[in-house]
Amino acid sequence: QVQLVQSGAEVKKPGASVKVSCKASGYTFTSYGISWVRQAPGQGLEWMGWISAYNGNTNYAQKLQGRVTMTTDTSTSTAYMELRSLRSDDTAVYYCARKTGPFDYWGQGTLVTVSS
Amino acid sequence: EIVLTQSPATLSLSPGERATLSCRASQSVSSYLAWYQQKPGQAPRLLIYDASNRATGIPARFSGSGSGTDFTLTISSLEPEDFAVYYCQQRSNWPPEMYTFGQGTKLEIK
Repeated sequence: QVQLVQSGAEVKKPGASVKVSCKASGYTFTSYGISWVRQAPGQGLEWMGWISAYNGNTNYAQKLQGRVTMTTDTSTSTAYMELRSLRSDDTAVYYCARKTGPFDYWGQGTLVTVSS
Repeated sequence: EIVLTQSPATLSLSPGERATLSCRASQSVSSYLAWYQQKPGQAPRLLIYDASNRATGIPARFSGSGSGTDFTLTISSLEPEDFAVYYCQQRSNWPPEMYTFGQGTKLEIK
């Protein structure tokens, strides 16, 4: 069965970086893209961008351009999302999701807390 | 950027009733519209894709309709487990491929 398992919760100081991992199993990793979505406490869903696991091409949401980098390691079927220059309003649960057009399978989420 | 506006923000209904949730796009999204359900503490779950296709394992009481700028998610007869937050999502058809979500509709028990 398809599974996306994310890394554990992180606490970071403002200005630091965070890198969240998303390990896929149960399907051919390079056949689909991986999208990243975040959700601030009590708020809605915000699309961050996506990466093709086939060729590494990326599209990022305009508001995060320059601060976010998405990568994949096809040898381990793992996707990564790095966010730099963290601010307090980056505090959120970060989700990875398999992209087939819509997002059909989701990871369990990773809470990233940015606090001094 | 395409903006999705969901209405109502909150919908209060009883089990067994029919729920109708709306999603309006600021410009045409063709049929690239999906619906997700999210319960507290859980990841979103895909319900409907391409406006009217149920995802794998989704009960038949969930249906989607619409095209262009106006879309509807209908739950024909509410079950207790259907009370959650629902989001619509669009995929832009122009390169680069981009996505946006609506702000959500909370379906609560009356």
